[in-house]
Amino acid sequence: GAGVSQSPSNKVTEKGKDVELRCDPISGHTALYWYRQSLGQGLEFLIYFQGNSAPDKSGLPSDRFSAERTGGSVSTLTIQRTQQEDSAVYLCASSSPRFYNEQFFGPGTRLTVL
Amino acid sequence: KQEVTQIPAALSVPEGENLVLNCSFTDSAIYNLQWFRQDPGKGLTSLLLIQSSQREQTSGRLNASLDKSSGRSTLYIAASQPGDSATYLCARPSGGSYIPTFGRGTSLIVHP
Repeated sequence: GAGVSQSPSNKVTEKGKDVELRCDPISGHTALYWYRQSLGQGLEFLIYFQGNSAPDKSGLPSDRFSAERTGGSVSTLTIQRTQQEDSAVYLCASSSPRFYNEQFFGPGTRLTVL
Repeated sequence: KQEVTQIPAALSVPEGENLVLNCSFTDSAIYNLQWFRQDPGKGLTSLLLIQSSQREQTSGRLNASLDKSSGRSTLYIAASQPGDSATYLCARPSGGSYIPTFGRGTSLIVHP
């Protein structure tokens, strides 16, 4: 597609359930980022993938959070045993060194944990 | 660690005014700086990317400048319109990383 897409756009789940959020980056972009934005807060970096290198997981808040990127394209962010404090908008972005690492964001997934 | 500060945090102006939004950063190393806008409930839209070798970029009514020596970038919005109402964020990587640090943003309201 022409831009970064994310699915689902909204997710409501019960505390303790696992959720998977998906990100389709711009075709050809080698870098992919996940961020979290809580209500009234700034962007919180979660994880960064660059090509075939090991991901930078330094922003993941706990071991309940994990992410993978298959075939250097689509990425899935998984949150296990969700807690109410996980409620936020999860944003994905992609970029390419060929285009000065300009980041392009998807529309986000709004996660609500009841 | 890079810190990015945006001033003011909020701004409310009548339509037609020329605006200046400020972004300051602590790491003066040679990196790009990017400006975004975010509408309520939406993702971020890239407005301008200033490469490390550039001093400014222009797109329509928007002009962004970068002064690495003073650690500042300025987003200038000419002849503001109600449609410009949004939150504006700047972001810049810190040393040795491609991971940007984001400011908290400036929330702009332009009244008709």
